[in-house]
Amino acid sequence: DQQVKQNSPSLSVQEGRISILNCDYTNSMFDYFLWYKKYPAEGPTFLISISSIKDKNEDGRFTVFLNKSAKHLSLHIVPSQPGDSAVYFCAASVGRSNYQLIWGAGTKLIIKP
Amino acid sequence: GAVVSQHPSWVICKSGTSVKIECRSLDFQATTMFWYRQFPKKSLMLMATSNEGSKATYEQGVEKDKFLINHASLTLSTLTVTSAHPEDSSFYICSAKQGGNQPQHFGDGTRLSIL
Repeated sequence: DQQVKQNSPSLSVQEGRISILNCDYTNSMFDYFLWYKKYPAEGPTFLISISSIKDKNEDGRFTVFLNKSAKHLSLHIVPSQPGDSAVYFCAASVGRSNYQLIWGAGTKLIIKP
Repeated sequence: GAVVSQHPSWVICKSGTSVKIECRSLDFQATTMFWYRQFPKKSLMLMATSNEGSKATYEQGVEKDKFLINHASLTLSTLTVTSAHPEDSSFYICSAKQGGNQPQHFGDGTRLSIL
């Protein structure tokens, strides 16, 4: 049973426009969520996180929105840049110590020049 | 800050040999380190979690005698794939975490190819 789902395997966005990556979860016990970015043959890089006490967290071009009632979160990147082309993973945990992360399958983001 | 170094980045070896992968936190002390495996076009699969000075906790289906984990210090964990076979070929990634609310920080992974 996949507790964290990223239903779009890939997404193509024009440079300069907004990229919106989506993630759904099923476990209502999750209360801490993270987004990681991964280039081929490299480990994931932490981008941004949000705890369930918030519904929005912003860091530069990256904003994460959390809708607890819908068990849905999204990552917005604006404006999108060519260097943003990568695979983006959503991860969730129970407890803010994010001791054990449950990962989505990832969404490959392609930024078109 | 929060740099994790993983070595080697790529290894090719014959079937039956053992391979050791090192994971080091370079600028912080990692109370916990994690070992993941990634299959092509799949998500990260957690293999085991290790705390410094104690035995690793393995996920269901992961053979602890096959994948030996040692976490001897707060900056170093090793994964040894014993008697490796072609089906062990994969991308192995480690992560390290400080205590509290700090996120996991990942190494760049090791591409293991068993011939």
